[in-house]
Amino acid sequence: DQQVKQNSPSLSVQEGRISILNCDYTNSMFDYFLWYKKYPAEGPTFLISISSIKDKNEDGRFTVFLNKSAKHLSLHIVPSQPGDSAVYFCAPSYNFNKFYFGSGTKLNVKP
Amino acid sequence: EAGVTQSPTHLIKTRGQQATLRCSPISGHTSVYWYQQALGLGLQFLLWYDEGEERNRGNFPPRFSGRQFPNYSSELNVNALELEDSALYLCASSPDRGEYNSPLHFGNGTRLTVT
Repeated sequence: DQQVKQNSPSLSVQEGRISILNCDYTNSMFDYFLWYKKYPAEGPTFLISISSIKDKNEDGRFTVFLNKSAKHLSLHIVPSQPGDSAVYFCAPSYNFNKFYFGSGTKLNVKP
Repeated sequence: EAGVTQSPTHLIKTRGQQATLRCSPISGHTSVYWYQQALGLGLQFLLWYDEGEERNRGNFPPRFSGRQFPNYSSELNVNALELEDSALYLCASSPDRGEYNSPLHFGNGTRLTVT
């Protein structure tokens, strides 16, 4: 039951450039979308979220874009920093449930 | 504020044995969630407890079970361990009872290895 897909297992970006992480979903009921970041040997931590009534949410270097018609969201990190190297999970929800996570994208930001 | 704590950090068991994993949520959080992250896979939802009751469970066999205690801490039990149960088990807590879109707060996980 793959309702959430992050099709790029890994991404490598040069420091200072933009990182774009993508997430696709199939369930049109999803109405809230969260991104989590996970460092090795640590649990995921919340990064940024967006409601389905918006198409963009920005927080510092992090921006999430939502395209409901395409059932696609993306996380942009500008400029990318080596400390951003981590695994990023997309986690959509509906009816406030917290059950769905993507498989994650491992971002490597090279100095 | 202390975060979500999980114990043990690592656990090695033999196939067929039982494993017990423990989780203490952030103070004031009543909901506890359990997830499994097998190697190379994403987080798979296992169980959700709130106010001592199981509210929902993911697509896992009944040998995965747990409970939540009156102090809101939680235990995950895995019976009749199989090799494919080897994974990182993450516990998360939430300040709401599934009523709002508040993010989850995760512990650092228990690495279960079944040999």
